[in-house]
Amino acid sequence: AQTVTQSQPEMSVQEAETVTLSCTYDTSESDYYLFWYKQPPSRQMILVIRQEAYKQQNATENRFSVNFQKAAKSFSLKISDSQLGDAAMYFCAYRSALNAGGTSYGKLTFGQGTILTVHP
Amino acid sequence: KAGVTQTPRYLIKTRGQQVTLSCSPISGHRSVSWYQQTPGQGLQFLFEYFSETQRNKGNFPGRFSGRQFSNSRSEMNVSTLELGDSALYLCASSLTGDQPQHFGDGTRLSIL
Repeated sequence: AQTVTQSQPEMSVQEAETVTLSCTYDTSESDYYLFWYKQPPSRQMILVIRQEAYKQQNATENRFSVNFQKAAKSFSLKISDSQLGDAAMYFCAYRSALNAGGTSYGKLTFGQGTILTVHP
Repeated sequence: KAGVTQTPRYLIKTRGQQVTLSCSPISGHRSVSWYQQTPGQGLQFLFEYFSETQRNKGNFPGRFSGRQFSNSRSEMNVSTLELGDSALYLCASSLTGDQPQHFGDGTRLSIL
């Protein structure tokens, strides 16, 4: 079974600065997807960024980027130029890739989350 | 395009009752997954439906069940409610297996 670990229950950052959230995972699979989701107090889970395990290039989405280290099973999220609106709970998640039949039998396995506070 | 819609947003039930939660996926999405979120256990996978078939199930008792209709809308049912079932229930839909899941706002279920 896959597990996802976020070792930082809480993090804080000053507005306009950079913060990195850590995530490690355990799997015996070679092909999978990794995600970062954001959950603000409004509680809707919002996809921040995703990474396909077969791609060596780190994913980026505007101010958000990841450092994907497949051998180390590490998937950290870097938020640059932090904004007040970035304050939320951040979840790292794992999903298995497609099976041989071309459909996905994967489920999202989440870490425990990191609460990010942004100070003005 | 409308997002994932979950109804109701809030529910209050008493122990022993049963409850049905509804989820309408994004138009065109055929996969619907359900998750339970609690402060103690975090986010846990309940089950996944694709084209009206349950193809993946998490480690929850048989009191938790679901189904998916031909229009991809899904319902989740919990029977004989227990205090520990108090949680935020999230539904997510995706177009195909290799596409990310998009979440609804959830249903907050409180058991008295």
